[in-house]
Parts: sequence; C-alpha cells; structure tokens
Amino acid sequence: KQEVTQIPAALSVPEGENLVLNCSFTDSAIYNLQWFRQDPGKGLTSLLLIQSSQREQTSGRLNASLDKSSGRSTLYIAASQPGDSATYLCAVNSGNTPLVFGKGTRLSVIA
Amino acid sequence: ETGVTQSPTHLIKTRGQQVTLRCSSQSGHNTVSWYQQALGQGPQFIFQYYREEENGRGNFPPRFSGLQFPNYSSELNVNALELDDSALYLCASSLAGRSETQYFGPGTRLLVL
Repeated sequence: KQEVTQIPAALSVPEGENLVLNCSFTDSAIYNLQWFRQDPGKGLTSLLLIQSSQREQTSGRLNASLDKSSGRSTLYIAASQPGDSATYLCAVNSGNTPLVFGKGTRLSVIA
Repeated sequence: ETGVTQSPTHLIKTRGQQVTLRCSSQSGHNTVSWYQQALGQGPQFIFQYYREEENGRGNFPPRFSGLQFPNYSSELNVNALELDDSALYLCASSLAGRSETQYFGPGTRLLVL
C-alpha cells in the first residue's frame, strides 16, 4: 500500500528566503508525482507534474525534483513571497488508485 | 481555472440525513474521481467513474455511492450522514489512463451537525 509523507508539517520563513519542502513515498513503482497548492478552504491548484521518467520540472520560481529509486521528491521555492503562503500537497499516482496524497506542509511567509 | 465545477459550494446537514454533491468535468474528460479531505489531512480517494461505471473504490462504506452521466458529469451521494462525514469533497476529472493528470474542482464543504 502506497504511503506518502511530507516533512515538515508546518514551516514559517521570512520573505525572500529560499525553501525546500520534502515528500517521500513507500512504493517506487509510480507513474507520476504531482505537487499541489491549497489555500484555506479552497480546492487544489496543480503546480508541477513529474512523470516517472523525469528528474525535475520547473515553473517560474518553483522547481520540483524526483528521485524515484529512493522514493523522494522535493519542491524548491525561490525568493519566497507572502503570496506563497498556503498548504502544499504532494500526491503520487501508482496506477492502482488515482492519487495518494500526503498530509501537506503548511507554509507561512512573513513580510 | 481547471474547468471543473462543483455544486453546492457549502452545505449544512444533520446526522442521519442524505446529501448529493455534483461535479461537472472538464470538456473532453471521461473520467471523474471523488476525494474526501478532512480538516488538516490530505485528500482520501473515495471512488472513480469511467464511462458511467465505477472503476475503483477506496476504503469508504457503501453509504457513499455515485453516478456518472452520459455527459460525464457526476454525483456523489452519502446516506445516513455521520458527524465524521464533515469534510471538503473534491472531484477531479481526467482522460482515461493511469498516467493522466487529474484536474480538481473547487470542492464542496459539508458540515454535519
């Protein structure tokens, strides 16, 4: 059974700092991994999707990496801004169920 | 904006009642998945529908049921509501295929009193 863990559960940083969010998964037989952003009480916004054959994806200030063999992914946010404050969720597609999610990392960027 | 819509946005029910939540998928998508997200948790997979048939189910009791219509829109029905059913219910649409990206709607917030 696939399990996804995200560390840390919460993170508070000053504006402008670079930061890394971590995601680990127990079964390396995945199709892809996706990072989402969720604002309080809202739905999920897809940030980056990494296929199992890829090692990283970039979008603006965001960079996600995938090391499938070790069951790890990181989301790197450069030059953080208060508008980045949200919960970030990692989800793995193993093919058996559509997506298995971690519990998320709650990020606060302080101005 | 993903093109996936859900209704209603918020709902309050009492224990024992029944509820129906609705989802319209993104144009061209033939697969809809439903997830339950309790406060402070990640979304949990409820079930998936493909071409009007259930195509996978998570660890949820039979009082959670669904439908998919010929236009690929979908309903989630929950009978005999319990307090623990209070959550954000998310639907996601996609094309068929295990590696396809899922696109999420804004969710329906259900509160059971």
